[in-house]
Amino acid sequence: QSALTQSASVSGSPGQSITISCTGTSSDVGSYNLVSWYQQHPGKAPKLMIYEVTKRPSGISNRFSGSKSGNTASLTISGLQAEDEADYYCCSYAGSSTFVVLFGGGTKLTVL
Amino acid sequence: QVQLQESGPGLVKPSETLSLTCTVSGGSISSYFWNWIRQPAGKGLEWIGHIYSSGSTNYNPSLKSRVTMSVDPSKNQFSLRLSSVTAADTAVYYCARVIFRGSLLSYFDYWGQGTLVTVSS
Repeated sequence: QSALTQSASVSGSPGQSITISCTGTSSDVGSYNLVSWYQQHPGKAPKLMIYEVTKRPSGISNRFSGSKSGNTASLTISGLQAEDEADYYCCSYAGSSTFVVLFGGGTKLTVL
Repeated sequence: QVQLQESGPGLVKPSETLSLTCTVSGGSISSYFWNWIRQPAGKGLEWIGHIYSSGSTNYNPSLKSRVTMSVDPSKNQFSLRLSSVTAADTAVYYCARVIFRGSLLSYFDYWGQGTLVTVSS
């Protein structure tokens, strides 16, 4: 299986909203409500922001939300703040006959 | 609060075996799946595989022939061995805990800080 597809970069001004998309196939994103999103600041470990498409872990701001339509999942960040500038990765279970976990290539968010 | 810490050599010679250990603190290693994920510089994340506390494993098919994972519940540790390494295996290696929904992998909730392993002679 190939990695999930994310746009390389997205930008927005403070206070605005942005959406990052993650496109897979009917064998991964489209088959399971098991998409998760991770935020990664430079030199740091990834941090879970959204799991099971729409759920937020405890302590994550409600400015972060997730959704899915068909084979594409999306992460929306509203009310952009400077500290949101980071790389964002989507992830999906993709197993059927073989157990596989796929990540997206990552999207660099720049807060202007 | 669960914490994970990777340890192991930062430099490995080509064709040799990379060995890393992850120590789990603040919680038991039992009844969870424990993962290795890597990230080459400037690139995305790649799932290497995971091991359950009982020792059962699943590996990324692209790495399966070179990967071995083990677990030591008495030490709250699990380990990764990657054989026949090349420069393409140079990356930051993370250990992480994963949560399952039934038999399906859902999300990675705790991560180590990562350790850089360079493959070079």
